[in-house]
Amino acid sequence: AQSVTQPDIHITVSEGASLELRCNYSYGATPYLFWYVQSPGQGLQLLLKYFSGDTLVQGIKGFEAEFKRSQSSFNLRKPSVHWSDAAEYFCAVGAVRTAGNKLTFGGGTRVLVKP
Amino acid sequence: KAGVTQTPRYLIKTRGQQVTLSCSPISGHRSVSWYQQTPGQGLQFLFEYFSETQRNKGNFPGRFSGRQFSNSRSEMNVSTLELGDSALYLCASSIGQNTGELFFGEGSRLTVL
Repeated sequence: AQSVTQPDIHITVSEGASLELRCNYSYGATPYLFWYVQSPGQGLQLLLKYFSGDTLVQGIKGFEAEFKRSQSSFNLRKPSVHWSDAAEYFCAVGAVRTAGNKLTFGGGTRVLVKP
Repeated sequence: KAGVTQTPRYLIKTRGQQVTLSCSPISGHRSVSWYQQTPGQGLQFLFEYFSETQRNKGNFPGRFSGRQFSNSRSEMNVSTLELGDSALYLCASSIGQNTGELFFGEGSRLTVL
């Protein structure tokens, strides 16, 4: 069975500093990997996705993520955080080819941004 | 282009009652998925519909059911409500069945007393 672990429940970062959110997954084949962001009182928004090819993927809002098969990781990064990046971030994995749009989400990492 | 619309946004029910939640996907999107979000269990997949057919189902009891109409709108129903059903129910639409790219609504927050 597939699973996703986000080791950090909370992260506090200063505005302008860099951010890295960790994600480890367990999946038998090449996974489809996603990062979603949820602002307070809102639904989730897709930041970026990895299906195949280049292991460094660019997303919206200046985010990027790197797929490392050897470490079963898909960490999310942003070079310089803005106050509007305060939100909860979810990593997800899916067997899209065989299981459609059913995704397994990690527990989320809540990001707080200090002025 | 309008986003995913969920109604109602908030509702309060008592144990034993039933509830129906509605979801209107983005125009042109034919896949609708439902997720339950709670502080304890996080985001859990309920089911996915595509072209009026249930394609996937999560590990929830039979009290949770859903359907999709010919215009791709979807409803989910929870019967015999329990306190543990209190959650944010999120609907997500996708243009196709095998994309993984979900567009979420703002959710329906259900409180069971």
